[in-house]
Amino acid sequence: NAGVMQNPRHLVRRRGQEARLRCSPMKGHSHVYWYRQLPEEGLKFMVYLQKENIIDESGMPKERFSAEFPKEGPSILRIQQVVRGDSAAYFCASSPSAGGNTIYFGEGSWLTVV
Amino acid sequence: AQKVTQAQTEISVVEKEDVTLDCVYETRDTTYYLFWYKQPPSGELVFLIRRNSFDEQNEISGRYSWNFQKSTSSFNFTITASQVVDSAVYFCALSEGDNYGQNFVFGPGTRLSVLP
Repeated sequence: NAGVMQNPRHLVRRRGQEARLRCSPMKGHSHVYWYRQLPEEGLKFMVYLQKENIIDESGMPKERFSAEFPKEGPSILRIQQVVRGDSAAYFCASSPSAGGNTIYFGEGSWLTVV
Repeated sequence: AQKVTQAQTEISVVEKEDVTLDCVYETRDTTYYLFWYKQPPSGELVFLIRRNSFDEQNEISGRYSWNFQKSTSSFNFTITASQVVDSAVYFCALSEGDNYGQNFVFGPGTRLSVLP
């Protein structure tokens, strides 16, 4: 998992605020994935992006959540008007191509909504 | 639909004991990949191994070994001579087809506690 950088590692937000989580993939990786880990649960897929494109967002809640991966800069997962149920660990992963490769995870960003 | 079951929620062993973590998967694809990840108390996810469905050869890496059996759809993980540093949550994961990252399905995890 070395090389996938996520920040912040820990974020506290009050209900109704916005949370922005950033992810810089490993060098040479152009595919980014976001996963969410609710307390005491396994990881669940949220969204898959390539540069400037959302490829699959089937795991993303329909409201308040959005993701982008611009041509320059990190991928950003944005959660608007956070609620207590958004408290979770959000993991970013990257891979160099879409097929046949392992994905490598970052260290995660822990969001706590108070 | 793909599914991963890790029936052991928590396991406690004493240091130096061997321990096996079970993983059973379901898939309709003939091409798929199986993974194990470790999540230590610090929270990050550490990649341990990847196996494709065409390679049933068991693998050993130091104290770690993996037993892949397609006949029982299992991909079990054994730690030999466990150490306190092995304490973590271990996730088994499955990816079907062309191994797109969005197709990863994780099991619920097994929390391993190795006591001194």
